[in-house]
Amino acid sequence: DTGVSQNPRHKITKRGQNVTFRCDPISEHNRLYWYRQTLGQGPEFLTYFQNEAQLEKSRLLSDRFSAERPKGSFSTLEIQRTEQGDSAMYLCASSLATSRGDEQYFGPGTRLTVT
Amino acid sequence: GEDVEQSLFLSVREGDSSVINCTYTDSSSTYLYWYKQEPGAGLQLLTYIFSNMDMKQDQRLTVLLNKKDKHLSLRIADTQTGDSAIYFCAESKGSSASKIIFGSGTRLSIRP
Repeated sequence: DTGVSQNPRHKITKRGQNVTFRCDPISEHNRLYWYRQTLGQGPEFLTYFQNEAQLEKSRLLSDRFSAERPKGSFSTLEIQRTEQGDSAMYLCASSLATSRGDEQYFGPGTRLTVT
Repeated sequence: GEDVEQSLFLSVREGDSSVINCTYTDSSSTYLYWYKQEPGAGLQLLTYIFSNMDMKQDQRLTVLLNKKDKHLSLRIADTQTGDSAIYFCAESKGSSASKIIFGSGTRLSIRP
């Protein structure tokens, strides 16, 4: 399978704990995105990388959230001191941005439950 | 997404055409997208249209864009039970059109 993969698929944690999610994009894609989706809503943009550079961050991304893409391939999203409001599906997407378009392909997501 | 609005539900009879409508706010959006999400599955990119186009057709899918009214629609011809899903309209934002703003999705249900 050469699509976007995310691990873990599910994570249950207690409030106050730190969690880290991983995303492996489609191999030749230069852009990688993180979104968050809550029940009944569309995905909300969190941040994106072009190669290893983090180019944009949403104001939704509080200082408890940090994302990295150290070698321009896989990315990690860490949430420190989790809160119940962090419970959501965290989606990763990747794309190969060209002058003809920017088709973002999504992974299956990591569902986070904070108890 | 407050910038992109869609109706929440649509019910159509199997074999009929489905038309899902969307309005957006940013006239500078470069691309407008339609994504499909089935229960327990990830988001699937169905199609997208450049903002300088009025229409795009891809097999059973037809996308119409009215830039003046900031209105986007997705028509699914000969709707099948496998088309049951949530359909998200989305617009691109940012200088490199990198950020996608999604609507809340339209749940399409098919009745026999």
